[in-house]
Amino acid sequence: GENVEQHPSTLSVQEGDSAVIKCTYSDSASNYFPWYKQELGKGPQLIIDIRSNVGEKKDQRIAVTLNKTAKHFSLHITETQPEDSAVYFCAASKGWAGGFKTIFGAGTRLFVKA
Amino acid sequence: NAGVTQTPKFRVLKTGQSMTLLCAQDMNHEYMYWYRQDPGMGLRLIHYSVGEGTTAKGEVPDGYNVSRLKKQNFLLGLESAAPSQTSVYFCASSSLPGTVAYEQYFGPGTRLTVT
Repeated sequence: GENVEQHPSTLSVQEGDSAVIKCTYSDSASNYFPWYKQELGKGPQLIIDIRSNVGEKKDQRIAVTLNKTAKHFSLHITETQPEDSAVYFCAASKGWAGGFKTIFGAGTRLFVKA
Repeated sequence: NAGVTQTPKFRVLKTGQSMTLLCAQDMNHEYMYWYRQDPGMGLRLIHYSVGEGTTAKGEVPDGYNVSRLKKQNFLLGLESAAPSQTSVYFCASSSLPGTVAYEQYFGPGTRLTVT
């Protein structure tokens, strides 16, 4: 069935280093790829997204790249800060009967050490 | 703007008991969703609604029912709770999918334990 694989499951970096989280999706019809940040005790919050007609998108320290041929997309966080510590989820979405079908990755727990 | 709110925040049920989780949004969104989140797994869609009075099944609908009597509210019901329904439940809402403004806004979650 359709799935999204996310790696790594845990990532620990030093403050100021970069962090990269990778996802692979199976459904070639997916055309919208959001990334969510979930802090402890809170719901996921969208931090960046990319659509299938774009290869890269950047927002300050966060960037996302998409390779549709390989069905692979990645989140890049530069100059990491302790407040970046959270669980990050990728997702792949496509239009579906009556709505939008979204499949989430299992999440990456990011630790930024001060 | 409160965004998406959920009640209750925590609940413990015994097997066989029933309960209703309430989700409310003040963003005038047509689409609303119920997800469950289990350790080591991504969010999985239980049911969703594309407008007042309409509901549809998601990926894992068994054991749950929903209702959308008002545009701003989306209720999730467990008729006879089972330990397998122990999870954190998230409600979300969004504008029309596929548009530039599309984004899912999530509530803070309800942690449910079934003993």
